[in-house]
Amino acid sequence: DQQVKQNSPSLSVQEGRISILNCDYTNSMFDYFLWYKKYPAEGPTFLISISSIKDKNEDGRFTVFLNKSAKHLSLHIVPSQPGDSAVYFCAARLYGGATNKLIFGTGTLLAVQP
Amino acid sequence: DSGVTQTPKHLITATGQRVTLRCSPRSGDLSVYWYQQSLDQGLQFLIQYYNGEERAKGNILERFSAQQFPDLHSELNLSSLELGDSALYFCASSPQLGTEAFFGQGTRLTVV
Repeated sequence: DQQVKQNSPSLSVQEGRISILNCDYTNSMFDYFLWYKKYPAEGPTFLISISSIKDKNEDGRFTVFLNKSAKHLSLHIVPSQPGDSAVYFCAARLYGGATNKLIFGTGTLLAVQP
Repeated sequence: DSGVTQTPKHLITATGQRVTLRCSPRSGDLSVYWYQQSLDQGLQFLIQYYNGEERAKGNILERFSAQQFPDLHSELNLSSLELGDSALYFCASSPQLGTEAFFGQGTRLTVV
């Protein structure tokens, strides 16, 4: 049961344009959502997060939007740069008091063309 | 550099063997997570430890086990290895339960 889904395995965008990466989830108990970026041969790097009580969080060129009713979140990168080319993972936190899990999607490969 | 150290970086072993992957979390982090990434798959949560105690289990096979030691480093033991166990294994740590996790560079395991 894939609770966090990234339905687009890849995305290609021109430098300077907006990149929009999408993520859907099924479990309404998730209380925190995160985006990670991963370059080849490296571990995932934390990028930005959002609490379930918010609908938007912005950090420089990166903005995450959360639509709880649709169980959907998206990551906007504006403007996109060639160095943003990487795999982006969406993750959701399942809070359970003494236990917590970060559940990841399958990732979207972003290619920013110069 | 995330501050999380995983050793070894690469491991090649034969089917049926047993291996141990090691993780040193960031200084001060009490929580350690293990994830598996197979080809074209996302990061599959295996297990989490907090201050030496197992706190959450994911899709971890019975052939796999883990522990976190008093100095907070963790080991993931994989036994009776099969070809399908070939994957990237990541360790991550966080200062408290459920906050942002910081990942190591991973151990690439190849079972031949």
